[in-house]
Amino acid sequence: NAGVMQNPRHLVRRRGQEARLRCSPMKGHSHVYWYRQLPEEGLKFMVYLQKENIIDESGMPKERFSAEFPKEGPSILRIQQVVRGDSAAYFCASSPQVGYEQYFGPGTRLTVT
Amino acid sequence: EDKVVQSPLSLVVHEGDTVTLNCSYEVTNFRSLLWYKQEKKAPTFLFMLTSSGIEKKSGRLSSILDKKELFSILNITATQTGDSAIYLCAVEAQNTDKLIFGTGTRLQVFP
Repeated sequence: NAGVMQNPRHLVRRRGQEARLRCSPMKGHSHVYWYRQLPEEGLKFMVYLQKENIIDESGMPKERFSAEFPKEGPSILRIQQVVRGDSAAYFCASSPQVGYEQYFGPGTRLTVT
Repeated sequence: EDKVVQSPLSLVVHEGDTVTLNCSYEVTNFRSLLWYKQEKKAPTFLFMLTSSGIEKKSGRLSSILDKKELFSILNITATQTGDSAIYLCAVEAQNTDKLIFGTGTRLQVFP
């Protein structure tokens, strides 16, 4: 049973470009969570999705950030017009149901130059 | 505001030592507390605790939760260099599924 998969593992973007981060949850998991880890800081919740629904986006910046989890395919976190402050590790986690432990993917390290 | 505080921030020990990592929390409608180990990649799940006073154990690692005093400890006995990592504590509230993380304890184990 493959774990949570994220790609790309490393992404370099120039300021103003778009970044697309992908997450495939563990088999049988329908709940996906995105977290951001800034250098020397803890993981911060961004958004929680189930298939085709955003359940909680209270941690998402109001502008430039969006997330989706379509019926088919991976969950995608999109950052438009990236700025240097977006440089961070973005982790995806999945769980089979509410209240179960979340399993994390290897993360995507975004560098904005 | 919900928060999680871990201590110490960092810890340096020699192989064979026993370490205790602390996690205190303030959260409305507590559901569970989770411990993760993070090396240079994905946080790896260790324990999920929901009930007070019941120790969870896995090999040399064990953890216990005190819901009255709002804290948890993670013990590692007979430490090995492979235990070197950042240990993260997170809590989950009843009315939400997001995890609120502490900043972690960085453990370094030297031979």
